[in-house]
Amino acid sequence: SQTIHQWPATLVQPVGSPLSLECTVEGTSNPNLYWYRQAAGRGLQLLFYSVGIGQISSEVPQNLSASRPQDRQFILSSKKLLLSDSGFYLCAWSVRQNQPQHFGDGTRLSIL
Amino acid sequence: GIQVEQSPPDLILQEGANSTLRCNFSDSVNNLQWFHQNPWGQLINLFYIPSGTKQNGRLSATTVATERYSLLYISSSQTTDSGVYFCAVEQGGSEKLVFGKGTKLTVNP
Repeated sequence: SQTIHQWPATLVQPVGSPLSLECTVEGTSNPNLYWYRQAAGRGLQLLFYSVGIGQISSEVPQNLSASRPQDRQFILSSKKLLLSDSGFYLCAWSVRQNQPQHFGDGTRLSIL
Repeated sequence: GIQVEQSPPDLILQEGANSTLRCNFSDSVNNLQWFHQNPWGQLINLFYIPSGTKQNGRLSATTVATERYSLLYISSSQTTDSGVYFCAVEQGGSEKLVFGKGTKLTVNP
């Protein structure tokens, strides 16, 4: 069966520091991968998605970037974190467009 | 873009009660999912239901695509049902799940 892993579970970072969050999927090939952010405990917003290695689409302009160096690996990065980057970040996968998306357990990011 | 509205925003029940959560969406969709977010933040898939009716134990869901709404039924609620329930939709040709603001359910013993 397919599983999705995200780490770390929680992270506290100072303003201006870099960020790297990692997500990996097991048990499937060439999945669609997604990064979402949830602020203030309600509603998720899509940040990035990828339909293949090296293919990244950005949904909203922001201080973050994403990369997909391997088929089942998706990385969320920032060179310099802002206070507004605080939130709950979730990675998700699906077999293809318009099929169910399955979410990881998330990373709770606090910026001080 | 497509709009997703969930109601009610908050719901408080006594254990054993039944409830109905509603999701309205403003355009046709190819994907509709219901999720339960537990107090630890985990987002649990409940149903993938772009149309029709499905049941899983005490939970069932119905989507009437032509009228652009979906309903989630919870019967004989338990305290472990507490959390936030999200409806999310995806339109044809889009990779984006658009989420509603959720219904926060509290089930008291």
